[in-house]
Amino acid sequence: AQKVTQAQTEISVVEKEDVTLDCVYETRDTTYYLFWYKQPPSGELVFLIRRNSFDEQNEISGRYSWNFQKSTSSFNFTITASQVVDSAVYFCALSEAYSGYALNFGKGTSLLVTP
Amino acid sequence: DGGITQSPKYLFRKEGQNVTLSCEQNLNHDAMYWYRQDPGQGLRLIYYSQIVNDFQKGDIAEGYSVSREKKESFPLTVTSAQKNPTAFYLCASAGKQGNQPQHFGDGTRLSIL
Repeated sequence: AQKVTQAQTEISVVEKEDVTLDCVYETRDTTYYLFWYKQPPSGELVFLIRRNSFDEQNEISGRYSWNFQKSTSSFNFTITASQVVDSAVYFCALSEAYSGYALNFGKGTSLLVTP
Repeated sequence: DGGITQSPKYLFRKEGQNVTLSCEQNLNHDAMYWYRQDPGQGLRLIYYSQIVNDFQKGDIAEGYSVSREKKESFPLTVTSAQKNPTAFYLCASAGKQGNQPQHFGDGTRLSIL
């Protein structure tokens, strides 16, 4: 069963628009970690953020912000004033102790930002 | 610079052949992981290792084998038993604590000749 669901397969926006990427996860652990990674066309995975299950504080980093809500098992990612360089595939991932903290990835959301 | 090095970048396999993908890290990380990515898919876990001389199967281990003889190295062998090996393979490493982000190599693209 898919533990991380990214319902949006592809999103296309015009530059300067705000965009939110959704992530819903499923776990029985009380301690777990959530991550977002960016994969540009070159293929490497770039770490963006991690969150542990005990810290529901939202976080802002420049144009990026993350909203973690345990009540709805969601960890959504918003890009404000999107830019062409934001075009990439974005992955949400969950790690749990029982699997050696291996990452369980969603299928990714492909974001295209056009000028 | 510290990081993870995967080689080769591109690899071609003939039918019935075993091939080995290299992954080396100089980050002094205890844990190492192998993932497979297919087009339009997320990454799926093949094997992981939390300590030298020990490793566990991930979700799609069939047709693959690994070894962890040194902390720095975690090679992945794609055996002839893996009938659909064409994919992008990513290696990652992380510190022992679960909240540490995994650092990824640049990947190896494997294709069938």
